[in-house]
Amino acid sequence: GENVEQHPSTLSVQEGDSAVIKCTYSDSASNYFPWYKQELGKRPQLIIDIRSNVGEKKDQRIAVTLNKTAKHFSLHITETQPEDSAVYFCAAPIGGSQGNLIFGKGTKLSVKP
Amino acid sequence: DAGITQSPRHKVTETGTPVTLRCHQTENHRYMYWYRQDPGHGLRLIHYSYGVKDTDKGEVSDGYSVSRSKTEDFLLTLESATSSQTSVYFCAISEYSGRQETQYFGPGTRLLVL
Repeated sequence: GENVEQHPSTLSVQEGDSAVIKCTYSDSASNYFPWYKQELGKRPQLIIDIRSNVGEKKDQRIAVTLNKTAKHFSLHITETQPEDSAVYFCAAPIGGSQGNLIFGKGTKLSVKP
Repeated sequence: DAGITQSPRHKVTETGTPVTLRCHQTENHRYMYWYRQDPGHGLRLIHYSYGVKDTDKGEVSDGYSVSRSKTEDFLLTLESATSSQTSVYFCAISEYSGRQETQYFGPGTRLLVL
């Protein structure tokens, strides 16, 4: 079946360093790739997404890159801050349909002050 | 928060009892989803709806049923709860901007089956 692999499962960085989380997907028809941030006890919140017609998208300190040939996409956080500590999930649609998402298993990011 | 509420927010029940979780949205979204979240598994799709009385199965639908009799409400029922259904349940909606769709989550329901 369709699959989304996410790495690493845990990531610890010093405040101010960069963090990178990578995901690979199996369905070549996938065309939409969101990233969600989930703080402890809260709902997942969409932080950035990318659609297959672009290779990179930035929003202040976060960026997402997409390599459709290799079927992988990455989340980049620069100048990390303690409030970036959370679990991050990537996702990709099943069968190319944007609505039915398969999620990666998450990356727990810890930013040490 | 895309106008999504879930009820109850917390529930403790016993094995074998029926349980119904409610997702309510106020913005007339057509697509609604139920996910469960468990440590080590991320979010997994249980069922989804693409309109009133139109539903379909997701990745982990066994043991669950859903109903959507009104646009604003999507109900998830555990006919006979089991301990393996202890989880956090999230409802989600799809919001459209032009032809682009984005999914937003409700606040979640913590269910403990003893």
